[in-house]
Amino acid sequence: KQEVTQIPAALSVPEGENLVLNCSFTDSAIYNLQWFRQDPGKGLTSLLLIQSSQREQTSGRLNASLDKSSGRSTLYIAASQPGDSATYLCAGPTTDSWGKLQFGAGTQVVVTP
Amino acid sequence: AAGVIQSPRHLIKEKRETATLKCYPIPRHDTVYWYQQGPGQDPQFLISFYEKMQSDKGSIPDRFSAQQFSDYHSELNMSSLELGDSALYFCASSARTSGHEQFFGPGTRLTVL
Repeated sequence: KQEVTQIPAALSVPEGENLVLNCSFTDSAIYNLQWFRQDPGKGLTSLLLIQSSQREQTSGRLNASLDKSSGRSTLYIAASQPGDSATYLCAGPTTDSWGKLQFGAGTQVVVTP
Repeated sequence: AAGVIQSPRHLIKEKRETATLKCYPIPRHDTVYWYQQGPGQDPQFLISFYEKMQSDKGSIPDRFSAQQFSDYHSELNMSSLELGDSALYFCASSARTSGHEQFFGPGTRLTVL
């Protein structure tokens, strides 16, 4: 069974600092891994999708890496802004199906001005 | 760009009543997913449909059923509602040609009184 863990549960940084969010998963045969952002009471916004054959993906200030051998993915957010304050979740498919996403509990990020 | 549409956005029901949630996936997406997110929890997979056929099933109560129609919209039917069914219900869609990146709708907030 795929298990996804995110550490830390919460993170507070001053504006301008780089953010590093960690995600661990147990099944190294992961099909892909997706990073999401969620604002309180709102939907999930897909940030990046990394396919199993990829090592990293980049979009603007965001960069996500995937290391299947160690069961880890890291999301880097450069030059953080107060608008980056949100909960960030990573998710990967369960062992038995590529479609059923197993989510981590998320990292709640606060960027202070 | 078109996004996943969910209706209604908010729904208040009494215990033992029935609720129907609707989802309109992104055009040309072939897979629809339903997730439930309880307060302070990460989303839990309920059920998915690929080309109008049920493809995967998660921890969906027997009181819930879902289907996907010929126009690809999907409905989640919930009967004999319980207080514990109060949650955010998300629909997501994906396309095989895009690596199955899941795009989530804004969610329906169901409150059972």
